[in-house]
Amino acid sequence: GQNIDQPTEMTATEGAIVQINCTYQTSGFNGLFWYQQHAGEAPTFLSYNVLDGLEEKGRFSSFLSRSKGYSYLLLKELQMKDSASYLCAAGRDDKIIFGKGTRLHILP
Amino acid sequence: AAGVIQSPRHLIKEKRETATLKCYPIPRHDTVYWYQQGPGQDPQFLISFYEKMQSDKGSIPDRFSAQQFSDYHSELNMSSLELGDSALYFCASSFRYAGTDTQYFGPGTRLTVL
Repeated sequence: GQNIDQPTEMTATEGAIVQINCTYQTSGFNGLFWYQQHAGEAPTFLSYNVLDGLEEKGRFSSFLSRSKGYSYLLLKELQMKDSASYLCAAGRDDKIIFGKGTRLHILP
Repeated sequence: AAGVIQSPRHLIKEKRETATLKCYPIPRHDTVYWYQQGPGQDPQFLISFYEKMQSDKGSIPDRFSAQQFSDYHSELNMSSLELGDSALYFCASSFRYAGTDTQYFGPGTRLTVL
């Protein structure tokens, strides 16, 4: 089976740092994706990890531990436009299995 | 850079009618995926095609069918529409041998069934 867990909602302050955690259990795992989705819009690709470790891309970083089935997305220097849902997704065979998403609220 | 194109962007249908959604992948991408996203839900995988052949199948109802054509565009055909089919339908494309197989999403088609 497959299961992806991430917090439903988080709140952070503009300029701060926030870490969104994700745990997953899936067979045929071939990588962990993070997508950003604003309401009513398409998911936008943020990062992909297939090996253990940290991938940094500007203000966003993503970490993966395959042995623990764990990933996190780190957002630094938060901006109001970062208010969105962040979807953790596990690559499995020929598809992506999405988590329910974490709705991130940014306060001024 | 060219992105995934979906048409139409909005569609309103009556119950029991038929709808066809179209997807044009990013040039040179060989794989197309269809997802359904209900209000407040995560995207649910429906079906995927690689090199014009169905490669995987998810929670696609029997009333729906899809295919990928020789020019790699794909169509999702939905028949006997039900109220519960109202959702955002996303198409995504990827280049399987790029190493990451990252999926890039189109803007979606919002289907409303009345």
